[in-house]
Amino acid sequence: NAGVMQNPRHLVRRRGQEARLRCSPMKGHSHVYWYRQLPEEGLKFMVYLQKENIIDESGMPKERFSAEFPKEGPSILRIQQVVRGDSAAYFCASSAGSGPGSSYEQYFGPGTRLTVT
Amino acid sequence: GQQLNQSPQSMFIQEGEDVSMNCTSSSIFNTWLWYKQDPGEGPVLLIALYKAGELTSNGRLTAQFGITRKDSFLNISASIPSDVGIYFCAGQRDSGAGSYQLTFGKGTKLSVIP
Repeated sequence: NAGVMQNPRHLVRRRGQEARLRCSPMKGHSHVYWYRQLPEEGLKFMVYLQKENIIDESGMPKERFSAEFPKEGPSILRIQQVVRGDSAAYFCASSAGSGPGSSYEQYFGPGTRLTVT
Repeated sequence: GQQLNQSPQSMFIQEGEDVSMNCTSSSIFNTWLWYKQDPGEGPVLLIALYKAGELTSNGRLTAQFGITRKDSFLNISASIPSDVGIYFCAGQRDSGAGSYQLTFGKGTKLSVIP
């Protein structure tokens, strides 16, 4: 009964390197949301994807950040040329669909803690 | 962007006491949710509320969806040490294009003194 899986759990990158974060949704879920959490803050929405489609990327920075959810394999959040301000915890959540109601609740993974040195 | 005002920011209580925290918004949400986050982990859903005025319980937890759809509260009765953690409220609505993203408060950090 695997929940949402994220890897790596911790990632250290030097400024200018690329960070690649992976998220495998719960079994049977095909909708993925990515959120970012800064220290002492709540989570902030970044992007919402369904298989092979980006549905809403209104919370994603315009540059250096991209996300994908291929037909096969995990969803990936990619940060190019990382800067110190990218240091944060990145969480993904999966759901069975999109909409209000108990059928579409979002379940979170354990997060990836990115540190940029 | 949209902000949820969550209070209090932190609480220190004695084991066995009841706890109350709340969340308010300037905008309407269709769903209110309460999550708990332990250090180094992701948020875990505690209670979800889908109708204005709804009062829902989950064990020692009780939450209500405000009539105006702009607020919610969470109560924890007879607190125990494992209640320690950060509690987040989150509002959900269709932001357009069928995206039901969550908007989170900044959290209430609960400490329980044995």
